[in-house]
Amino acid sequence: SSDLTQDPAVSVALGQTVRITCQGDSLRSYYASWYQQKPGQAPILVIYGENNRPSGIPDRFSGSRSGNTVALTITGAQAEDEADYYCNSRDSSGDHVVFGGGTKLTVL
Amino acid sequence: QVQLQESGPRLVKPSETLSLTCTVSGVSINSNSYYWGWIRQPPGKGLEWIGNIFYRGSTYYNPSLKSRVTISVDTSKSQFSLKLSSVTAADTAVYYCARLNNGYGSYPFDIWGQGTMVTVSS
Repeated sequence: SSDLTQDPAVSVALGQTVRITCQGDSLRSYYASWYQQKPGQAPILVIYGENNRPSGIPDRFSGSRSGNTVALTITGAQAEDEADYYCNSRDSSGDHVVFGGGTKLTVL
Repeated sequence: QVQLQESGPRLVKPSETLSLTCTVSGVSINSNSYYWGWIRQPPGKGLEWIGNIFYRGSTYYNPSLKSRVTISVDTSKSQFSLKLSSVTAADTAVYYCARLNNGYGSYPFDIWGQGTMVTVSS
């Protein structure tokens, strides 16, 4: 089980906007990060902090937070965005890292 | 550029100890800005945090693995290591080492190694 809950699968039509969510009590206190993982590859960081993108991440990726829920939004999804997406943060103690179970994004 | 590379045996027998090393290049491991972590991913499943270490030696472990995990650091070699004892088939996974950036608010893992598949089998 995970302290962070994600929908297992989400789909989006090419060029449309999709929102992937992550819920957990610790998110009321700590920021989350988002990772993209394609088959056979290591995860890459796409969003961190309040809404920050590492260098090289397209600006169609954005993050938000409300209460105990954080969201990753892809505005104008592209075929290459099809991947698994994981959120992570700290647990309620603040000492440990937790990951969400992951969301498989399909771009139709 | 910053690179992390995992190394170690790909096959471990049940009840034995899994040992992996992560070599860090392109950045000093002796930095107050980073922790160094291990994450694993069983085949077809999600990511599981194993633990983190600071260059001065302080460690944080996943409570579910704490009794079997030891993470250590060798700053002279710019390496940190993972030992997981009493392994079973459930420990079969891709093991990643990663840099945790503690200057970024959400403490993200901003650099990852390529991962190494470790199989537990007799």
